[in-house]
Amino acid sequence: AQKVTQAQTEISVVEKEDVTLDCVYETRDTTYYLFWYKQPPSGELVFLIRRNSFDEQNEISGRYSWNFQKSTSSFNFTITASQVVDSAVYFCALSDSDRGSTLGRLYFGRGTQLTVWP
Amino acid sequence: ETGVTQTPRHLVMGMTNKKSLKCEQHLGHNAMYWYKQSAKKPLELMFVYNFKEQTENNSVPSRFSPECPNSSHLFLHLHTLQPEDSALYLCASSQDGRTEAFFGQGTRLTVV
Repeated sequence: AQKVTQAQTEISVVEKEDVTLDCVYETRDTTYYLFWYKQPPSGELVFLIRRNSFDEQNEISGRYSWNFQKSTSSFNFTITASQVVDSAVYFCALSDSDRGSTLGRLYFGRGTQLTVWP
Repeated sequence: ETGVTQTPRHLVMGMTNKKSLKCEQHLGHNAMYWYKQSAKKPLELMFVYNFKEQTENNSVPSRFSPECPNSSHLFLHLHTLQPEDSALYLCASSQDGRTEAFFGQGTRLTVV
């Protein structure tokens, strides 16, 4: 069964600190997709990144970086030099889509509430 | 303008009322989803529609009735809800399950 675990329920940091959000997943599929979403107080989930299971290359986008390690089934997200606007709930998700005509679905972790203090 | 639009943004309804949530996507996607987000619970997938056909129903009570008249519109009809159904209902769309899903801003539903 697919499962996503975000062990950190809440994290508080002071502006300009670096912060890493952990994500551990479980799946028996060899092909799968991993995602990170941000949910600000407005409620909308904002897509941040997608990774497929065959691409373990780490990615950097501005202050955001992601570390995908299949050996530990982890897909961690780091924010460098955090800012107050980064305050939000961050969700890691797994999609098992690749089963012919059957659409996949997103399995979400419980989310990590990040608060960045000025 | 967001690619996925949900209306209304907030809804308060009594347990005997009938109401509908609306979702519209302008992204040309083939798949649409309803998710439920309750306090202190993970996001729960409720329904999946692919090319207007329902492909998944995750044991959702019959008091929630989805409708997908075309690939751009998705409704969630509500009737005789319970207070525990109060939650944020999120609509999403994706080209297919391999690409990212785009979410609307959600409807905050309160059942009194």
